[in-house]
Amino acid sequence: AQSVTQLGSHVSVSEGALVLLRCNYSSSVPPYLFWYVQYPNQGLQLLLKYTTGATLVKGINGFEAEFKKSETSFHLTKPSAHMSDAAEYFCAVSDSGNFNKFYFGSGTKLNVKP
Amino acid sequence: EPEVTQTPSHQVTQMGQEVILRCVPISNHLYFYWYRQILGQKVEFLVSFYNNEISEKSEIFDDQFSVERPDGSNFTLKIRSTKLEDSAMYFCASRRGGSNTEAFFGQGTRLTVV
Repeated sequence: AQSVTQLGSHVSVSEGALVLLRCNYSSSVPPYLFWYVQYPNQGLQLLLKYTTGATLVKGINGFEAEFKKSETSFHLTKPSAHMSDAAEYFCAVSDSGNFNKFYFGSGTKLNVKP
Repeated sequence: EPEVTQTPSHQVTQMGQEVILRCVPISNHLYFYWYRQILGQKVEFLVSFYNNEISEKSEIFDDQFSVERPDGSNFTLKIRSTKLEDSAMYFCASRRGGSNTEAFFGQGTRLTVV
């Protein structure tokens, strides 16, 4: 069975600082991995995804994530935080052969301090 | 930009009452989903729907729940005889299908059972 663990329910960074949101997964089959962002009163928006190929994937708003199979991780990073990045971020995994079900982490709320 | 829309944004209902949560998926999408997030917990898969039938459902999705695509545009989740523990944010999602893996989520309906 698949599962996702996000370390840190709340992360606070200063504007301009590095953002690092951690995600570890467990999967019995090759996983597809996703990061979603949720702004207040909005739905879940896809930031980036890994399916196959290059393990470093770039997404919207300057975010990127690297799939590390040996570490079963898919951490999300952004070199320089912006105030507009304040939101809740969800890591999710699905089976590579079944897109019908996503397993989500519990989410990390990112606070960006001026 | 096409989006998944959900109504209402917030629903308060008495315990034991029936509620219908409504979703309008993106028009050319073929796969539809409901997820829920109890406050402070993970986003959980409820059900997936394709070709006018349920393709997969979780253990949460018992006889109390049903889904329907009544008119080719709406996708509804009905909860019969609501319980206090049904209070959660319910997210609808849709996916175009085929090799396209991205699921688009609505902004959610917050259901409060009192």
